[in-house]
Amino acid sequence: DAKTTQPPSMDCAEGRAANLPCNHSTISGNEYVYWYRQIHSQGPQYIIHGLKNNETNEMASLIITEDRKSSTLILPHATLRDTAVYYCIVNRYEKLTFGTGTRLTIIP
Amino acid sequence: DAMVIQNPRYQVTQFGKPVTLSCSQTLNHNVMYWYQQKSSQAPKLLFHYYDKDFNNEADTPDNFQSRRPNTSFCFLDIRSPGLGDTAMYLCATSRAGSGGVDTQYFGPGTRLTVL
Repeated sequence: DAKTTQPPSMDCAEGRAANLPCNHSTISGNEYVYWYRQIHSQGPQYIIHGLKNNETNEMASLIITEDRKSSTLILPHATLRDTAVYYCIVNRYEKLTFGTGTRLTIIP
Repeated sequence: DAMVIQNPRYQVTQFGKPVTLSCSQTLNHNVMYWYQQKSSQAPKLLFHYYDKDFNNEADTPDNFQSRRPNTSFCFLDIRSPGLGDTAMYLCATSRAGSGGVDTQYFGPGTRLTVL
């Protein structure tokens, strides 16, 4: 599976959009980009995933570059409850290989 | 609501004393996973069941075993826990078919402490 690179930490003001980048330059054509988050002491929570096209759901938007080598997760109006570790994962088969993730802190 | 349930949420055991962690799901998913997450680290896959087929990760210690008696339940057995096995253990499920594997859904985890 392709590896991902994420910044170790980010801050975002409450109410603003949080943009979390992820590099996956070795991604293969049939590998999906998945985003999960993990709030302290809880199990990881699925956020969104995509293959080529941009995706949006009730939680977030996922923007994938045309060459698929990077993506951005967007939380449109961050709240304090969005403080968590966010994992970007490239997945082809049934296994998820978690990287180190980005610790996002929402500041009041 | 359909969900992944883990019991117990917290478990304390003594060094070398066997322990079993439980996972059940109401999603009717055919794939079940066990992850280990040590403090300040990312989750690491131990093994998974694809239907009844057991798939062990190459670096999972022999001390860790699993059973899946039916679609809904999966157990993690640690035969002789060491201090280094203190961690959060996460169960996840997904649905797999001819079109590939769907999203994984995680339970709340069992926090195991080995004394």
